[in-house]
Amino acid sequence: DVVLTQTPVSLSVTLGDQASISCRSSQSLEYSDGYTYLEWYLQKPGQSPQLLIYEVSNRFSGVPDRFIGSGSGTDFTLKISRVEPEDLGVYYCFQATHDPYTFGAGTKLELK
Amino acid sequence: EVKLVESGGGLVQPGRSLKLSCAASGFSFNDYWMGWVRQAPGKGLEWIGEINQDSSTINYTPSLKDKFTISRDNAQNTLYLQMSKLGSEDTAIYYCAREGIYGPMDAWGQGASVTVSS
Repeated sequence: DVVLTQTPVSLSVTLGDQASISCRSSQSLEYSDGYTYLEWYLQKPGQSPQLLIYEVSNRFSGVPDRFIGSGSGTDFTLKISRVEPEDLGVYYCFQATHDPYTFGAGTKLELK
Repeated sequence: EVKLVESGGGLVQPGRSLKLSCAASGFSFNDYWMGWVRQAPGKGLEWIGEINQDSSTINYTPSLKDKFTISRDNAQNTLYLQMSKLGSEDTAIYYCAREGIYGPMDAWGQGASVTVSS
């Protein structure tokens, strides 16, 4: 199975700061069709997960442009510029390139 | 409005079975792949599996393939998760999710809580 390693495990930020989360894969996530099926989800406290980013860098409908996904192959990053209170929670990367699909262990974004 | 509502959770004894349902509304259910994800208490997310529009393709994470069965009834706009031989390790919140046009899980239910205990 593909292992996704997220770092850091937790991240303490001040509102308005930039936050950066890394997701490294044990295998390349580029599929044979040329697409890379790496997604980012946010689970706010007490809520269901919600989709933020798909195919590495595409923001889902309604996701603010301060969320920026990047990367290729095995290394991916989610950057959040100007963190706002509603951004706090646990971020998960997820790969849908290789069966079985897998999640990273999560990165908790909290206030300093 | 896209809505997914899970039901059927609760307390179940070890070794028993349980079937979860996920009622979908607000979209054309039979046009979408659907999936299940679970989250053990205080833990991260675990992908369980997915099913395509006409149930001809069902994929599972290998560790759960012999215990869990995903199915759907397009006439009833409902997704199911049949769980058997349950153990304490299956205690979790179970989420159903819609897989959107490009594949990602773009809509989620509120989750159904399953507790396996004697």
